[in-house]
Amino acid sequence: GENVEQHPSTLSVQEGDSAVIKCTYSDSASNYFPWYKQELGKGPQLIIDIRSNVGEKKDQRIAVTLNKTAKHFSLHITETQPEDSAVYFCAAPRGGSQGNLIFGKGTKLSVKP
Amino acid sequence: NAGVTQTPKFQVLKTGQSMTLQCAQDMNHEYMSWYRQDPGMGLRLIHYSVGAGITDQGEVPNGYNVSRSTTEDFPLRLLSAAPSQTSVYFCASRPGRVYGYTFGSGTRLTVV
Repeated sequence: GENVEQHPSTLSVQEGDSAVIKCTYSDSASNYFPWYKQELGKGPQLIIDIRSNVGEKKDQRIAVTLNKTAKHFSLHITETQPEDSAVYFCAAPRGGSQGNLIFGKGTKLSVKP
Repeated sequence: NAGVTQTPKFQVLKTGQSMTLQCAQDMNHEYMSWYRQDPGMGLRLIHYSVGAGITDQGEVPNGYNVSRSTTEDFPLRLLSAAPSQTSVYFCASRPGRVYGYTFGSGTRLTVV
């Protein structure tokens, strides 16, 4: 069945460094890839997404890249700040279910001041 | 806009009890979904709807029912609560198929 693998499960960086989180998906028909940030006690919040007709998208300090051939996509956070500390989830559409999303298991990012 | 509103925020149930988790959105979104979040398991889809009167099952539907009589509301019913249903439940909505979800703030449910 469809699957989304996310790595690493935990990531610790120094403030100002970059952080990269990677995900792979199994359904070659997938065409939409969002990333969510979840802070403690809150619901996930969409931070950036990419559609399959582009290879990269940037929004200030965050960017997402997509490699359709290899079926993987990555989240890049530059100049990390303590407020970037959270759990990040990638997702991809689940085939045959009107595009409902399958989520990766999450990456807990800790940014140390 | 209030976005996606979930009630209650916290609930404790005894095994065998039933209850309804409420979800409402004011963004006129056609698509709505229920997810549960368990430690180390990420978010798993319970049920979803692509419009009023249309619902379907997700990955983990057993023990749950849904209905969608209006665009705004998508309640989730637990028929006979079990300890395995202890989880955080999130309702989410989106305007169409190739768009991201807006999530509610969640309901933390404990079944004892």
